[in-house]
Amino acid sequence: RKEVEQDPGPFNVPEGATVAFNCTYSNSASQSFFWYRQDCRKEPKLLMSVYSSGNEDGRFTAQLNRASQYISLLIRDSKLSDSATYLCVVKRRILTGGGNKLTFGTGTQLKVEL
Amino acid sequence: GAVVSQHPSWVICKSGTSVKIECRSLDFQATTMFWYRQFPKQSLMLMATSNEGSKATYEQGVEKDKFLINHASLTLSTLTVTSAHPEDSSFYICSAERIGDSEQFFGPGTRLTVL
Repeated sequence: RKEVEQDPGPFNVPEGATVAFNCTYSNSASQSFFWYRQDCRKEPKLLMSVYSSGNEDGRFTAQLNRASQYISLLIRDSKLSDSATYLCVVKRRILTGGGNKLTFGTGTQLKVEL
Repeated sequence: GAVVSQHPSWVICKSGTSVKIECRSLDFQATTMFWYRQFPKQSLMLMATSNEGSKATYEQGVEKDKFLINHASLTLSTLTVTSAHPEDSSFYICSAERIGDSEQFFGPGTRLTVL
């Protein structure tokens, strides 16, 4: 089983739609959680951190459920520019050598259409 | 601030040659840098963790003699793909963990094509 699992999609939605992405992680030692966005042939860019209390950034809302090891991302009023791959990422401390390891999900592809 | 550069941004080489990729943190220092590889339609897979002044830690299945990592300063790590073969063709991305807040910043990636 992969450490971070996501539905690969693609999700094809019309402009203005609300779309939700889900992610599960298996390592209970994971300490921090994020959603990244990756455009084709580009590096991933941090979209937002995810907290148990939930957090919102404009049209984007993220939620963490530690008990069920589940992370979600909700995008409201989808724009064409939201088309990208959304990566669920968990972070945990590296016990030997220092640093923090990021583990990426396979990503969920979103295509927003006119 | 918090910019990470990679050089080159793309490279095409013949099978059997070695390719060096540089990762630099331009406006911050990083004790730890990471090297990832991403094949088409797959996610980023961590290859190795590079700590300044010490040997890199490689993930399971990554050959340390094939992917040589050097992290000689707090702003530079290099990855050398030795005797590259077509199956090494991939998108190589580095990240640098900023000293102080441990936030990671990604480089723009290097696209390697081995003919």
